[in-house]
This record gives sequence, structure tokens and C-alpha cells, in this order.
Amino acid sequence: GEDVEQSLFLSVREGDSSVINCTYTDSSSTYLYWYKQEPGAGLQLLTYIFSNMDMKQDQRLTVLLNKKDKHLSLRIADTQTGDSAIYFCAEGSDSNYQLIWGAGTKLIIKP
Amino acid sequence: NAGVTQTPKFQVLKTGQSMTLQCAQDMNHNSMYWYRQDPGMGLRLIYYSASEGTTDKGEVPNGYNVSRLNKREFSLRLESAAPSQTSVYFCASSDRVNEKLFFGSGTQLSVL
Repeated sequence: GEDVEQSLFLSVREGDSSVINCTYTDSSSTYLYWYKQEPGAGLQLLTYIFSNMDMKQDQRLTVLLNKKDKHLSLRIADTQTGDSAIYFCAEGSDSNYQLIWGAGTKLIIKP
Repeated sequence: NAGVTQTPKFQVLKTGQSMTLQCAQDMNHNSMYWYRQDPGMGLRLIYYSASEGTTDKGEVPNGYNVSRLNKREFSLRLESAAPSQTSVYFCASSDRVNEKLFFGSGTQLSVL
């Protein structure tokens, strides 16, 4: 079946950029999403990108999509302590009845 | 704005007990979902309702039932709880199936 993979942890210094990576297998993906989950809370839609786009920027967030390599990344500029969370990548397509989720990357901020 | 509201937030059950998790959304969304989240496994879809009046099985439906009571409400029932159902349960909704899901804050369920 289709799969989405992410590293489980990423540690960065406060003020640096964080880059969270995701790879997926479904070549018919339509949307690719990034969700943020803070401790004890539900998932919050952070940003998304259509599969016909290469890049999307939204304030401190930059999403890059390499469709040939099926690689998605989320860059957070000037990482702050409030960015500490688990970040989930998910992909959706017309050929699949459900979103396929990665296991999540826990972003740890060092002072 | 309330968004997606789930109740209860916490629940402890004994093996074999039953319970219903409630979910309501106030965004006039057509589609609603129930997921479970287990450590290191991401989210797994239990059931979903693409529109009012329809429900379909997801990846892990065994041991669960759902009811789409109306457009706003989507409940999840455990008829005979098992320790393997210990998890965090999330309800979500979206305007179109599998596009831009909005999540509730979750229910932490422990089955002893």
C-alpha cells in the first residue's frame, strides 16, 4: 500500500531554521499537507500544497515539493520555542479514499 | 469559534464495557472522520462519513461502530472495549472528503 515516511525527531537551536522532511510513494497525490500537534492537543492544519506546485511560502513557513523524487519538506525560519511540536505530513489523492499519514516528526528546540 | 468539539476528554474503561465518543462540528462541513493515534504510528482512520447519511470503514474499523446523527454530529461507539483500544481518539471534519481536515482536541481512552 501507499506510505509516507518521516524522521521521528529533529533538534534545532532557537533562531535557526528547521527543515522537516517527508517522502511518499503515491504518484497520484493531489494535495500534500503539514499538520502541527502541540502537547495534549489535536492536529492543526499548518499549510498545504497542490501537487502541481513546487513551492509555497507563508510567513515563516516554506513548503518545497519535488514530485519527481516524491519528497516534501517544511522549512520553519527563525525557529522559536513555540514551534516545539510534532509535525505530521499527509498526502491525499483521488485514487485513495483516505489521507495517508506519516508517523510525525517531533521538533525539539534547544536554547 | 468552537470548530470540532469532542467529549469526553478522558475516559477509563474496564475490558468489556461499552461507551460512545461524541463529536460535533459547527463549520457546516460535509465530511467527518474518526481517527486513533498510537505512539510512533501516526493516525489511523477508523471510520469516516463522506456526507450526511453515509458511513464507510477506514483502515482499522474492527471493534467500532459509528453513527452520523445529522450533518453536525458523528459518534463512535465501542461495544465491548478491549485493552488494544487504549489510544487517543480524534474526530475531524472537512468540507470535501480528505481535503483540509479540522481536528478536535482528542479523547484519551484507557481500557484496563
